[in-house]
Amino acid sequence: EAGVVQSPRYKIIEKKQPVAFWCNPISGHNTLYWYLQNLGQGPELLIRYENEEAVDDSQLPKDRFSAERLKGVDSTLKIQPAELGDSAVYLCASSLDQGYTQYFGPGTRLTVL
Amino acid sequence: DAKTTQPTSMDCAEGRAANLPCNHSTISGNEYVYWYRQIHSQGPQYIIHGLKNNETNEMASLIITEDRKSSTLILPHATLRDTAVYYCRITSGNTPLVFGKGTRLSVIA
Repeated sequence: EAGVVQSPRYKIIEKKQPVAFWCNPISGHNTLYWYLQNLGQGPELLIRYENEEAVDDSQLPKDRFSAERLKGVDSTLKIQPAELGDSAVYLCASSLDQGYTQYFGPGTRLTVL
Repeated sequence: DAKTTQPTSMDCAEGRAANLPCNHSTISGNEYVYWYRQIHSQGPQYIIHGLKNNETNEMASLIITEDRKSSTLILPHATLRDTAVYYCRITSGNTPLVFGKGTRLSVIA
């Protein structure tokens, strides 16, 4: 069974440019999570989806970050415009339902110059 | 979610058992203990979880004290590939896992 797929794995952009990350969760998993991980820190939740509904986006900086999960499967996370402080690893995870074991993708390492 | 306390780092000799402790003294009756690990440049990987009873799977064993205020993850025969950051998290299932800094385990040849 394929795991959580994320792309791209690495992205380098200049500040003020837009960037988007894509996540394909494990088939059949209703819950999808986006996390931000800074160097030396644990992952921090940005947003959680139950099917296509965002049920917890309290930590998402909505002035520049947006996310969507059309049809309750794949999801994209967008930053526009990117700032230097956005340099981090962006992780996607999925679970069968909320409260179940989460399975993580390899992450996208973003570098903003 | 209940707060957890883990040592910042630990060393373990290759082939020996690695015992990683976690304190969660404010855990509630319906909260599970979850362990994940993160190898460099990879996403976190699920290891094991438990509620009250000790658990064992192909990767590790989880020992939960009777009062549930602490637990220990045991890697019975640590290898160099077990070098990673290990996260102990508590969740009732209604809220997503909250990760702290975890324990950086270094397995030494």
